[in-house]
Amino acid sequence: QQQVKQSPQSLIVQKGGISIINCAYENTAFDYFPWYQQFPGKGPALLIAIRPDVSEKKEGRFTISFNKSAKQFSLHIMDSQPGDSATYFCAATGGGNKLTFGTGTQLKVEL
Amino acid sequence: GAVVSQHPSRVICKSGTSVKIECRSLDFQATTMFWYRQFPKQSLMLMATSNEGSKATYEQGVEKDKFLINHASLTLSTLTVTSAHPEDSSFYICSARDNSAGWVNQPQHFGDGTRLSIL
Repeated sequence: QQQVKQSPQSLIVQKGGISIINCAYENTAFDYFPWYQQFPGKGPALLIAIRPDVSEKKEGRFTISFNKSAKQFSLHIMDSQPGDSATYFCAATGGGNKLTFGTGTQLKVEL
Repeated sequence: GAVVSQHPSRVICKSGTSVKIECRSLDFQATTMFWYRQFPKQSLMLMATSNEGSKATYEQGVEKDKFLINHASLTLSTLTVTSAHPEDSSFYICSARDNSAGWVNQPQHFGDGTRLSIL
C-alpha cells in the first residue's frame, strides 16, 4: 500500500515536444505529491508539488495533473528542452511522514 | 531557496575504514533529516530518519550498528559507515525538512550526495 508506481521507465522526446510521466498510488493517506528532478551525480531537486485539493498546478513549463478519484498524478513538461534531460521521480507522503518515491523515469530530449 | 550541503562529495577508501558523511542545512533549521542510499539507475531507498536530539529511526533491513546516525544540532546530521566493505559502495544522499513553519508537509530538500567507493 506504500508503493508509488511510475511509468514509463524511460522516455525520449524531441525538442519542443511534451514529456509526460505518470504515477499512481494506493495509500489514501497520502496528501502531498512532489516531483523531483535528478541529474547524474547530483541529489534530487524539488521541481513542483501538489496537494490533493487541486486538480492541476502549473509552474512555468511544468504542470502537475492530479486525479484524486483515480489515485493518479502526472507531470507534463511543455516545450521540452535538451537541458530537461534528467531522471524524474514522483513521490508521495502523508501526515509529515517519510517520502515514498516512484521508480524514476529517465528522460532524454533530443535535438 | 533552502540549501542542504553534503560533504564530502566523493570518498574512496580501503575496506575496514569508517567513513563519516556530513549533512548541513545552510539557511534553515532542520528538525528532521533523512538518509537515503541510491544504486545506479534506481530510485532512492530510505535508510533512516533522524530527529534532532533523539535516536534515529532505521528502516527495516538497515543495520543501525553499521550506519551510525547523529543529529546533534538543528543544522547538522552525520552518517558514519562503520568498517565499510565493498558492498557498502553506493551513492548516499541526505535530505532535510524544515517543520518550523507549521506545515506538516514541508518539502524535503536534498544534498548533492556522497559517492562512496570501498576498495
